[in-house]
Amino acid sequence: DAMVIQNPRYQVTQFGKPVTLSCSQTLNHNVMYWYQQKSSQAPKLLFHYYDKDFNNEADTPDNFQSRRPNTSFCFLDIRSPGLGDAAMYLCATSRVWLSKETQYFGPGTRLLVL
Amino acid sequence: AQTVTQSQPEMSVQEAETVTLSCTYDTSESNYYLFWYKQPPSRQMILVIRQEAYKQQNATENRFSVNFQKAAKSFSLKISDSQLGDTAMYFCAFMKPRNYGGATNKLIFGTGTLLAVQP
Repeated sequence: DAMVIQNPRYQVTQFGKPVTLSCSQTLNHNVMYWYQQKSSQAPKLLFHYYDKDFNNEADTPDNFQSRRPNTSFCFLDIRSPGLGDAAMYLCATSRVWLSKETQYFGPGTRLLVL
Repeated sequence: AQTVTQSQPEMSVQEAETVTLSCTYDTSESNYYLFWYKQPPSRQMILVIRQEAYKQQNATENRFSVNFQKAAKSFSLKISDSQLGDTAMYFCAFMKPRNYGGATNKLIFGTGTLLAVQP
Protein backbone atom coordinates (compact mmCIF):
# COMPACT_ATOMS: atom_id res chain seq x y z
CA ASP A 1 0.00 0.00 0.00
CA ALA A 2 1.17 3.52 -0.75
CA MET A 3 2.00 5.25 2.47
CA VAL A 4 3.99 7.71 4.55
CA ILE A 5 6.63 6.07 6.74
CA GLN A 6 8.47 7.64 9.64
CA ASN A 7 11.54 6.26 11.37
CA PRO A 8 12.18 5.80 14.16
CA ARG A 9 8.79 5.75 15.89
CA TYR A 10 10.43 6.68 19.18
CA GLN A 11 13.67 8.59 19.60
CA VAL A 12 15.48 9.41 22.80
CA THR A 13 18.26 11.97 22.71
CA GLN A 14 20.30 13.96 25.15
CA PHE A 15 20.05 17.67 25.69
CA GLY A 16 22.13 19.36 22.99
CA LYS A 17 22.89 16.18 21.01
CA PRO A 18 21.92 16.49 17.33
CA VAL A 19 19.17 14.20 16.14
CA THR A 20 17.71 13.37 12.72
CA LEU A 21 14.20 12.12 12.04
CA SER A 22 13.33 10.43 8.78
CA CYS A 23 10.26 10.41 6.55
CA SER A 24 9.70 8.50 3.34
CA GLN A 25 6.70 8.17 1.07
CA THR A 26 5.56 5.88 -1.70
CA LEU A 27 2.73 8.17 -2.80
CA ASN A 28 4.88 10.11 -5.30
CA HIS A 29 3.62 13.33 -3.75
CA ASN A 30 5.52 16.49 -4.58
CA VAL A 31 4.98 18.29 -1.28
CA MET A 32 6.33 17.10 2.07
CA TYR A 33 5.64 18.75 5.42
CA TRP A 34 7.05 18.58 8.93
CA TYR A 35 4.80 19.35 11.90
CA GLN A 36 5.54 19.52 15.61
CA GLN A 37 2.74 18.36 17.89
CA LYS A 38 2.97 18.78 21.65
CA SER A 39 0.73 16.94 24.05
CA SER A 40 -3.00 17.66 23.58
CA GLN A 41 -2.28 20.40 21.04
CA ALA A 42 -2.88 20.81 17.34
CA PRO A 43 0.02 20.15 14.97
CA LYS A 44 2.18 23.18 14.22
CA LEU A 45 3.79 23.44 10.80
CA LEU A 46 7.57 23.85 10.91
CA PHE A 47 8.34 23.89 7.18
CA HIS A 48 7.56 22.16 3.93
CA TYR A 49 9.15 21.28 0.61
CA TYR A 50 7.31 21.98 -2.62
CA ASP A 51 9.35 19.80 -4.94
CA LYS A 52 12.88 21.03 -4.16
CA ASP A 53 11.79 24.42 -2.89
CA PHE A 54 12.10 24.81 0.86
CA ASN A 55 9.48 26.92 2.67
CA ASN A 56 10.19 27.79 6.28
CA GLU A 57 7.52 29.07 8.67
CA ALA A 58 8.39 32.44 10.14
CA ASP A 59 8.31 31.23 13.74
CA THR A 60 10.28 28.00 13.27
CA PRO A 61 13.42 28.14 15.42
CA ASP A 62 16.80 28.10 13.65
CA ASN A 63 17.54 24.93 15.59
CA PHE A 64 15.28 23.04 13.16
CA GLN A 65 16.42 22.27 9.64
CA SER A 66 15.33 19.96 6.89
CA ARG A 67 16.71 18.15 3.86
CA ARG A 68 14.97 16.55 0.93
CA PRO A 69 17.51 14.61 -1.14
CA ASN A 70 14.88 13.17 -3.50
CA THR A 71 11.11 12.97 -4.02
CA SER A 72 10.66 10.07 -1.62
CA PHE A 73 12.68 11.15 1.41
CA CYS A 74 12.68 14.11 3.76
CA PHE A 75 14.67 14.58 6.96
CA LEU A 76 14.19 16.76 10.02
CA ASP A 77 17.41 17.76 11.75
CA ILE A 78 17.39 19.23 15.23
CA ARG A 79 20.84 20.67 15.79
CA SER A 80 20.81 21.15 19.56
CA PRO A 81 17.64 19.73 21.10
CA GLY A 82 16.33 21.39 24.21
CA LEU A 83 13.84 20.04 26.71
CA GLY A 84 11.14 22.11 25.03
CA ASP A 85 11.66 20.22 21.76
CA ALA A 86 10.24 17.02 23.21
CA ALA A 87 7.16 16.38 21.10
CA MET A 88 5.61 14.22 18.41
CA TYR A 89 6.95 15.07 14.96
CA LEU A 90 4.60 14.40 12.10
CA CYS A 91 5.49 14.13 8.45
CA ALA A 92 2.79 14.69 5.86
CA THR A 93 2.63 14.68 2.08
CA SER A 94 0.32 16.06 -0.58
CA ARG A 95 0.04 16.17 -4.33
CA VAL A 96 -0.51 19.57 -5.87
CA TRP A 97 -2.51 18.73 -8.97
CA LEU A 98 -5.84 20.18 -9.96
CA SER A 99 -5.90 21.65 -6.44
CA LYS A 100 -6.23 18.25 -4.79
CA GLU A 101 -4.06 19.18 -1.82
CA THR A 102 -5.24 16.78 0.85
CA GLN A 103 -2.41 16.03 3.27
CA TYR A 104 -1.66 12.46 4.29
CA PHE A 105 0.18 11.94 7.55
CA GLY A 106 2.74 9.44 8.73
CA PRO A 107 2.52 7.74 12.15
CA GLY A 108 4.88 10.24 13.75
CA THR A 109 8.12 10.07 15.70
CA ARG A 110 7.91 10.75 19.41
CA LEU A 111 11.05 12.57 20.56
CA LEU A 112 12.16 12.51 24.16
CA VAL A 113 14.97 14.81 25.29
CA LEU A 114 16.82 13.87 28.48
CA ALA B 1 -5.57 35.58 8.87
CA GLN B 2 -7.68 32.47 8.99
CA THR B 3 -8.67 30.93 12.31
CA VAL B 4 -10.43 27.68 13.20
CA THR B 5 -12.36 27.26 16.44
CA GLN B 6 -13.49 24.01 18.04
CA SER B 7 -15.47 24.97 21.13
CA GLN B 8 -15.89 21.46 22.55
CA PRO B 9 -12.61 20.24 24.11
CA GLU B 10 -14.15 16.89 25.07
CA MET B 11 -17.27 14.95 24.20
CA SER B 12 -18.69 11.58 25.09
CA VAL B 13 -21.21 9.39 23.26
CA GLN B 14 -22.68 5.95 23.78
CA GLU B 15 -21.88 3.25 21.30
CA ALA B 16 -24.36 3.14 18.37
CA GLU B 17 -25.57 6.68 18.99
CA THR B 18 -25.01 9.82 16.93
CA VAL B 19 -22.73 12.69 17.89
CA THR B 20 -21.99 16.06 16.29
CA LEU B 21 -18.70 17.88 16.64
CA SER B 22 -18.69 21.63 16.06
CA CYS B 23 -16.24 23.74 14.10
CA THR B 24 -16.34 27.36 13.06
CA TYR B 25 -13.80 29.28 11.06
CA ASP B 26 -13.04 32.79 10.01
CA THR B 27 -11.85 33.76 6.55
CA SER B 28 -12.34 36.39 3.90
CA GLU B 29 -11.67 33.88 1.14
CA SER B 30 -14.50 32.62 -1.05
CA ASN B 31 -12.83 29.42 -2.15
CA TYR B 32 -11.14 27.06 0.30
CA TYR B 33 -11.06 23.52 1.63
CA LEU B 34 -12.20 22.19 4.98
CA PHE B 35 -11.14 18.91 6.54
CA TRP B 36 -11.82 16.72 9.53
CA TYR B 37 -8.89 14.63 10.69
CA LYS B 38 -9.02 11.87 13.31
CA GLN B 39 -6.09 11.04 15.60
CA PRO B 40 -6.66 7.94 17.77
CA PRO B 41 -4.57 7.63 20.95
CA SER B 42 -0.93 7.00 20.02
CA ARG B 43 -1.89 6.38 16.44
CA GLN B 44 -1.70 8.00 13.05
CA MET B 45 -3.67 11.07 12.00
CA ILE B 46 -6.02 10.11 9.21
CA LEU B 47 -8.36 12.07 6.98
CA VAL B 48 -12.02 11.58 7.82
CA ILE B 49 -13.71 13.86 5.34
CA ARG B 50 -13.04 16.80 3.04
CA GLN B 51 -15.29 19.61 1.79
CA GLU B 52 -14.64 22.07 -1.00
CA ALA B 53 -16.24 25.46 -0.32
CA TYR B 54 -17.59 25.90 -3.84
CA LYS B 55 -19.64 22.70 -3.50
CA GLN B 56 -23.00 23.25 -1.86
CA GLN B 57 -23.59 19.54 -1.28
CA ASN B 58 -22.41 18.30 2.09
CA ALA B 59 -19.67 15.65 1.95
CA THR B 60 -20.36 12.17 3.30
CA GLU B 61 -18.12 9.17 3.94
CA ASN B 62 -20.02 6.15 5.22
CA ARG B 63 -21.01 6.97 8.84
CA PHE B 64 -19.39 10.40 8.69
CA SER B 65 -21.09 13.46 7.25
CA VAL B 66 -20.69 17.19 7.52
CA ASN B 67 -23.08 20.12 7.80
CA PHE B 68 -21.34 22.88 5.86
CA GLN B 69 -22.91 26.31 6.32
CA LYS B 70 -20.78 28.69 4.27
CA ALA B 71 -22.55 31.89 5.22
CA ALA B 72 -22.32 31.03 8.90
CA LYS B 73 -18.73 29.73 8.48
CA SER B 74 -19.65 26.53 10.22
CA PHE B 75 -18.44 23.01 9.46
CA SER B 76 -19.75 20.38 11.87
CA LEU B 77 -19.04 16.66 11.73
CA LYS B 78 -21.75 14.11 12.41
CA ILE B 79 -20.80 10.57 13.34
CA SER B 80 -23.66 8.11 13.08
CA ASP B 81 -23.78 4.68 14.74
CA SER B 82 -20.72 5.50 16.85
CA GLN B 83 -18.22 2.69 17.33
CA LEU B 84 -15.54 2.15 19.97
CA GLY B 85 -12.93 2.66 17.27
CA ASP B 86 -14.18 6.20 16.76
CA THR B 87 -12.57 7.19 20.08
CA ALA B 88 -9.97 9.78 19.08
CA MET B 89 -9.01 13.42 18.95
CA TYR B 90 -10.79 15.09 16.04
CA PHE B 91 -9.24 18.13 14.38
CA CYS B 92 -11.05 20.51 12.09
CA ALA B 93 -8.76 22.19 9.57
CA PHE B 94 -8.92 24.91 6.92
CA MET B 95 -6.80 25.40 3.82
CA LYS B 96 -6.75 28.05 1.13
CA PRO B 97 -6.29 26.62 -2.34
CA ARG B 98 -2.91 27.12 -3.87
CA ASN B 99 -2.62 30.05 -6.24
CA TYR B 100 -1.76 28.79 -9.68
CA GLY B 101 2.01 28.63 -9.88
CA GLY B 102 2.37 29.63 -6.24
CA ALA B 103 3.56 27.80 -3.18
CA THR B 104 1.20 25.40 -1.49
CA ASN B 105 -0.78 26.61 1.47
CA LYS B 106 -0.75 25.19 4.96
CA LEU B 107 -3.46 23.59 7.04
CA ILE B 108 -4.86 25.75 9.81
CA PHE B 109 -5.96 23.42 12.60
CA GLY B 110 -8.44 23.92 15.39
CA THR B 111 -7.51 22.90 18.93
CA GLY B 112 -9.28 19.57 18.63
CA THR B 113 -12.18 17.74 20.27
CA LEU B 114 -11.44 14.59 22.24
CA LEU B 115 -14.29 12.14 21.58
CA ALA B 116 -14.81 9.15 23.85
CA VAL B 117 -17.20 6.43 22.71
CA GLN B 118 -18.58 4.54 25.70
CA PRO B 119 -19.62 0.88 25.50
